[in-house]
Amino acid sequence: RKEVEQDPGPFNVPEGATVAFNCTYSNSASQSFFWYRQDCRKEPKLLMSVYSSGNEDGRFTAQLNRASQYISLLIRDSKLSDSATYLCVVRVEYGNKLVFGAGTILRVKS
Amino acid sequence: EPEVTQTPSHQVTQMGQEVILRCVPISNHLYFYWYRQILGQKVEFLVSFYNNEISEKSEIFDDQFSVERPDGSNFTLKIRSTKLEDSAMYFCASSPLTEAFFGQGTRLTVV
Repeated sequence: RKEVEQDPGPFNVPEGATVAFNCTYSNSASQSFFWYRQDCRKEPKLLMSVYSSGNEDGRFTAQLNRASQYISLLIRDSKLSDSATYLCVVRVEYGNKLVFGAGTILRVKS
Repeated sequence: EPEVTQTPSHQVTQMGQEVILRCVPISNHLYFYWYRQILGQKVEFLVSFYNNEISEKSEIFDDQFSVERPDGSNFTLKIRSTKLEDSAMYFCASSPLTEAFFGQGTRLTVV
């Protein structure tokens, strides 16, 4: 089983749509969870950390279900500029390596 | 806003040559990492570095690779005797503890 699994997509959505991405992780001891965004041939950029209680940052909402080892990202009111690859990232212990999923491609179209 | 910087942005080298990729992490960060991403593939962990020594390394990080923090600020990745399959984007990252911040990457092309 892969350490971090994501649906590769692509998700093709119109502007203004709501879209949700899911991710599962295999190591139940994982401590930290993140969503990163990666534009073509660029570095991963931190979008948001994911907390047990769920958290929101503007149009973005992240949720964590430790029992199911499942992380989600919801994007509301999609913009053209949201088009990117969204990477689910997990860390087992503080300071240790980040483990990346393969990413989910989002294409927002006008 | 502090950022991780990497040089060069692109390096072309002949097979069998040695390359050194350089990184300046964010000051006051404690953990440093090298990752690579082959075109069209996922971001893969190579090595982590803490307290002036390697704390973890992947299977990819074999004797061909080495890391150093020569002067307390720079963080380097050396690849000896490069192979065609070493062609990839190499990302440096640093972390205070939880989130990690990535440099813009070095595109290595081995010909």
